[in-house]
Amino acid sequence: GAVVSQHPSWVICKSGTSVKIECRSLDFQATTMFWYRQFPKQSLMLMATSNEGSKATYEQGVEKDKFLINHASLTLSTLTVTSAHPEDSSFYICSATGTGGGYGYTFGSGTRLTVV
Amino acid sequence: DAKTTQPPSMDCAEGRAANLPCNHSTISGNEYVYWYRQIHSQGPQYIIHGLKNNETNEMASLIITEDRKSSTLILPHATLRDTAVYYCIVRGGGADGLTFGKGTHLIIQP
Repeated sequence: GAVVSQHPSWVICKSGTSVKIECRSLDFQATTMFWYRQFPKQSLMLMATSNEGSKATYEQGVEKDKFLINHASLTLSTLTVTSAHPEDSSFYICSATGTGGGYGYTFGSGTRLTVV
Repeated sequence: DAKTTQPPSMDCAEGRAANLPCNHSTISGNEYVYWYRQIHSQGPQYIIHGLKNNETNEMASLIITEDRKSSTLILPHATLRDTAVYYCIVRGGGADGLTFGKGTHLIIQP
């Protein structure tokens, strides 16, 4: 079945630094990728949608200059959290859909970001 | 996408069938019912989806009422590894992101 690989699985960074999270579709072409954020004991919240080769579309309230998304190829999307602060600590999850990806959406395993 | 309503939590004994309900009374004709689950600290996992007919796969069965206003996910023989938050999501055929509600926290008891 469709597999999405997300790295790193966890990261701790200092306040003010930037962190990059990678999301790869291993066996299908991800024409569209999605990034979600999940705070403890809450549900997933969609942050942005990106189509290969296009600028990402951000949900209301998500700062595009803080959460940089690049989807330069059909198998790779990256989320960079710039100038991270403790309130950015969360569980970030990517999802992909596209050609050969089967039904609906395939999710990555998530990245636990802790900003200290 | 139509809104869904699920009980916040349910318990089920190991080995028994777990029946998870979902109400989606505002579902429209072209919207599918999807079920995903999220085991603690992992990404959501696709389980099953359907339009109006009942569906079954190796993981579960999906029963959709004739008026499509509600559905039930059935895990036929629940194991401890089925403990997770189960999300019922209604969506059309576009490529928009999924809207997650609060889901049902299913706890399988030994």
